[in-house]
Amino acid sequence: AQSVTQLGSHVSVSEGALVLLRCNYSSSVPPYLFWYVQYPNQGLQLLLKYTSAATLVKGINGFEAEFKKSETSFHLTKPSAHMSDAAEYFCAVSDRSGATNKLIFGTGTLLAVQP
Amino acid sequence: KAGVTQTPRYLIKTRGQQVTLSCSPISGHRSVSWYQQTPGQGLQFLFEYFSETQRNKGNFPGRFSGRQFSNSRSEMNVSTLELGDSALYLCASTLAGGIQETQYFGPGTRLLVL
Repeated sequence: AQSVTQLGSHVSVSEGALVLLRCNYSSSVPPYLFWYVQYPNQGLQLLLKYTSAATLVKGINGFEAEFKKSETSFHLTKPSAHMSDAAEYFCAVSDRSGATNKLIFGTGTLLAVQP
Repeated sequence: KAGVTQTPRYLIKTRGQQVTLSCSPISGHRSVSWYQQTPGQGLQFLFEYFSETQRNKGNFPGRFSGRQFSNSRSEMNVSTLELGDSALYLCASTLAGGIQETQYFGPGTRLLVL
């Protein structure tokens, strides 16, 4: 069975500072990993995904994530935070136990950006 | 292209009632998945439909059901509502339901059960 763990339910950074949101996965097969963002009163928007191609994945809005098999991690980073990055971020893994596209989500990290 | 649309956006019901939520996927997409989002349980998979067939179902009681129509629009139904069913219900669509595909989410229907 696949699962993801997000460390830190709340992260606060200053505008212009590095953003680092942590995600560790558990999977007995090569995982497909996703990062989604959710703004207040909205659905989820894909930031980036890893599907076993390049281990460094670049996404939208300046975000990127690196797949590290040895550390079972897929942390999300952005070099310089903007006020508009304040939102909740979810790491997810595809459930590969069946022939469907079910996603298993982490518990989310709420990012606050201080001026 | 228009995105995933969900109706209604907000809903208030009382315990014991039933409710039907609707999801229209992106044009051409054949797979629709439903998720429940609550502060306590987070995002949980409800079910997925592909070409009018339910392919997978999450760990929810039988009060939760769904269907998909020939135009790929999907509905989910919750009967005998309980207070704990209060949640944001999200649907997502993909072109062919592949596990590597990006799921495009709608804005959700926020259900409040009193």
